[in-house]
Amino acid sequence: GENVEQHPSTLSVQEGDSAVIKCTYSDSASNYFPWYKQELGKRPQLIIDIRSNVGEKKDQRIAVTLNKTAKHFSLHITETQPEDSAVYFCAATPLNFGNEKLTFGTGTRLTIIP
Amino acid sequence: EAQVTQNPRYLITVTGKKLTVTCSQNMNHEYMSWYRQDPGLGLRQIYYSMNVEVTDKGDVPEGYKVSRKEKRNFPLILESPSPNQTSLYFCASSFDLAGNNEQFFGPGTRLTVL
Repeated sequence: GENVEQHPSTLSVQEGDSAVIKCTYSDSASNYFPWYKQELGKRPQLIIDIRSNVGEKKDQRIAVTLNKTAKHFSLHITETQPEDSAVYFCAATPLNFGNEKLTFGTGTRLTIIP
Repeated sequence: EAQVTQNPRYLITVTGKKLTVTCSQNMNHEYMSWYRQDPGLGLRQIYYSMNVEVTDKGDVPEGYKVSRKEKRNFPLILESPSPNQTSLYFCASSFDLAGNNEQFFGPGTRLTVL
């Protein structure tokens, strides 16, 4: 089955700086890679996703890049703000099976230092 | 309001006492899943369902049962809970007829087994 590794497990950045979280996956059949944000005491929520036919996707201050050859994808947050403090999870799945078999990374706790 | 609901939100029980955590979604989603979240381990899938009467094991199914008799409901059953099932549980649903893959999570159920 799929195995997703996520690094770092914790990350602290100064407000206004950029943050990068990296994930690797093992199953070459995976073709859908979402990122979820979980604020303290809340449920995970989708913030951005990317499919394997695209190398990069941006949404305001958030971007995701995908390297299918190397089997890794990354989340980039620019101009970080205090409300970006949360736990971030990457995930991977082969979409042809639907995304019911979603495998998550172990999470990155991001802290923005004012 | 489109949502996934879970009940109860908090539960303290004793070893061996059967319990059910309910999950319901009102978005007409095809897929539903159960995850457990443990510190340092991220979100691990317990069971998933692609449609009514169709369920399959996720990565950590031991000690759990599920059923999908109706499209909107996907209860999680612990026949004989043990302390190692103390965890935070999330139900999620996804995939509508428009082909959207975003997983919508419920608010979570914090279970303690003594």
